[in-house]
Amino acid sequence: GQNIDQPTEMTATEGAIVQINCTYQTSGFNGLFWYQQHAGEAPTFLSYNVLDGLEEKGRFSSFLSRSKGYSYLLLKELQMKDSASYLCAPVNDYKLSFGAGTTVTVRA
Amino acid sequence: GAGVSQSPSNKVTEKGKDVELRCDPISGHTALYWYRQSLGQGLEFLIYFQGNSAPDKSGLPSDRFSAERTGGSVSTLTIQRTQQEDSAVYLCASSLATGGVPEAFFGQGTRLTVV
Repeated sequence: GQNIDQPTEMTATEGAIVQINCTYQTSGFNGLFWYQQHAGEAPTFLSYNVLDGLEEKGRFSSFLSRSKGYSYLLLKELQMKDSASYLCAPVNDYKLSFGAGTTVTVRA
Repeated sequence: GAGVSQSPSNKVTEKGKDVELRCDPISGHTALYWYRQSLGQGLEFLIYFQGNSAPDKSGLPSDRFSAERTGGSVSTLTIQRTQQEDSAVYLCASSLATGGVPEAFFGQGTRLTVV
């Protein structure tokens, strides 16, 4: 079975940094995705981690610790357009299971 | 096509009627998922097809829900005797699950409203 835990909501100021934590317990593990979903739209791919460590991609970085069942998504230099839901999705045998998502609100 | 295509984009149906939702995945993608998302909620897994393997139906909420994937391509999600609690956005995704990054690409969804 899958158990994925992430905070429900976070609020931050434009230009700031926000870190979204995700803990997971899965019966198997082949990597972890982070997706972004704006209201009323489909989720879009942000990052993928399969090995421990930090993956950096512009303003967004994602970290994975497989032994701890833990990942985080780091959003730097926040912009208003970053207001969205962020979904943690561990992969087991190519099957993605999604957490409930963290709604990030960026304020001016 | 270039992306995952779902039809219809919107569907309003009367309680008790059957509906069929269609998903056309990215050509060559062997994995196909159906998820359901109620307003303000996360993605609820429904069913997963992977190549010729038996589908993982563990997420289907009741026996009113079924899905098929014909020829390893197009998939249809059928909901029989719809209920108001079935109202949600139904999202389909596909991925090239043969190594590398198994990124799931999502369609725009079908918004189902049961009245």
